[in-house]
Amino acid sequence: AQSVTQLGSHVSVSEGALVLLRCNYSSSVPPYLFWYVQYPNQGLQLLLKYTSAATLVKGINGFEAEFKKSETSFHLTKPSAHMSDAAEYFCAVSPRRSGNTGKLIFGQGTTLQVKP
Amino acid sequence: EAQVTQNPRYLITVTGKKLTVTCSQNMNHEYMSWYRQDPGLGLRQIYYSMNVEVTDKGDVPEGYKVSRKEKRNFPLILESPSPNQTSLYFCASSPLAGVGNEQFFGPGTRLTVL
Repeated sequence: AQSVTQLGSHVSVSEGALVLLRCNYSSSVPPYLFWYVQYPNQGLQLLLKYTSAATLVKGINGFEAEFKKSETSFHLTKPSAHMSDAAEYFCAVSPRRSGNTGKLIFGQGTTLQVKP
Repeated sequence: EAQVTQNPRYLITVTGKKLTVTCSQNMNHEYMSWYRQDPGLGLRQIYYSMNVEVTDKGDVPEGYKVSRKEKRNFPLILESPSPNQTSLYFCASSPLAGVGNEQFFGPGTRLTVL
């Protein structure tokens, strides 16, 4: 069965520092890949997604992620953290196969803390 | 405004008292789904619906029911809630399933079962 692993349930960075949130998936066929952000008391909002085009995907709010097939990874980065980036981030996959039920398989989530 | 709405946003109830959480989307999406979010587990799918009158179980369907009589609505029913169903619930919708489409999420319903 497919699974998603997010390394680190909590990540703390200083304002202006690089943000790196890690995501690895397990699948023999590269799935569709997503990063969602959840601000306190809100639903999930899509940051970016990888379908099959460029391996470096740019999203909203200055975030980007790089798909690396050899490493089965889809890490999320942002060059300079802002206080407003503090939130919980979820990596998710959707299998790329016939009969796909549309289910998103989520990682455990990573809480990003940004210190002034 | 294109959105997924859920009601209620917060609910405290007692074991065994039937409840319904409503979900509605105004984007004419074919696909709708319910997830529950628990600390350390991420989100897990409860039920999904590919289209009107077509529903199926997700990964954690026990204790839940759904119906899809109209395209826009997808209520989640707990006929006899138990404390282990205390969780944060999200409804989501998507134009179609299985082709890498984004899923749009509602604001969530925080349920506590005493």
